[in-house]
Amino acid sequence: DSGVTQTPKHLITATGQRVTLRCSPRSGDLSVYWYQQSLDQGLQFLIQYYNGEERAKGNILERFSAQQFPDLHSELNLSSLELGDSALYFCASSVDDGKAFFGQGTRLTVV
Amino acid sequence: AQSVAQPEDQVNVAEGNPLTVKCTYSVSGNPYLFWYVQYPNRGLQFLLKYITGDNLVKGSYGFEAEFNKSQTSFHLKKPSALVSDSALYFCAVRDMDNFNKFYFGSGTKLNVKP
Repeated sequence: DSGVTQTPKHLITATGQRVTLRCSPRSGDLSVYWYQQSLDQGLQFLIQYYNGEERAKGNILERFSAQQFPDLHSELNLSSLELGDSALYFCASSVDDGKAFFGQGTRLTVV
Repeated sequence: AQSVAQPEDQVNVAEGNPLTVKCTYSVSGNPYLFWYVQYPNRGLQFLLKYITGDNLVKGSYGFEAEFNKSQTSFHLKKPSALVSDSALYFCAVRDMDNFNKFYFGSGTKLNVKP
């Protein structure tokens, strides 16, 4: 158990819909990262938050957004969903010792 | 730009034989390098990291990795593979000059056959 909790584990939704993925980082970790893992693209960095503020942006679509709340949990919002958004979405958290801890991921299926 | 490359999509090895999973990196400063393993339908698990010091880093489950600065490589190794080592392996570099952002390789699928 990495200490990072992601909910839900599985999500099936229709095209055009909006979903919210949730991540609770390890206790004390201020950094939260979101990644998308699709079959053909490996692991793609989406966005990072540090103590409530956006720190870095990767290949995140404009239809996607995220935030980190005062209690440090984070949410990734995906809207106007397309079939190609089907993927595993991972959250990770870290402190500054260089090691990141990953959640189990949320498997999103868009039908 | 920082990047990580894993040149092999798949590595096949017989149980009991040594295994190597390759990784090369490109960073502007000193590299912070990591290996993670992903089992089916599971999150990534930390295996080992290199930040400074000895070029040979020992990690979990008998894995080790060798940092080679001149070749900008960080290959993952194990002297004797187990069938249970079959999984997806990711190499990563952390950009300490860019808000600690992680860059991951595309992953290498390790198949260990009995």
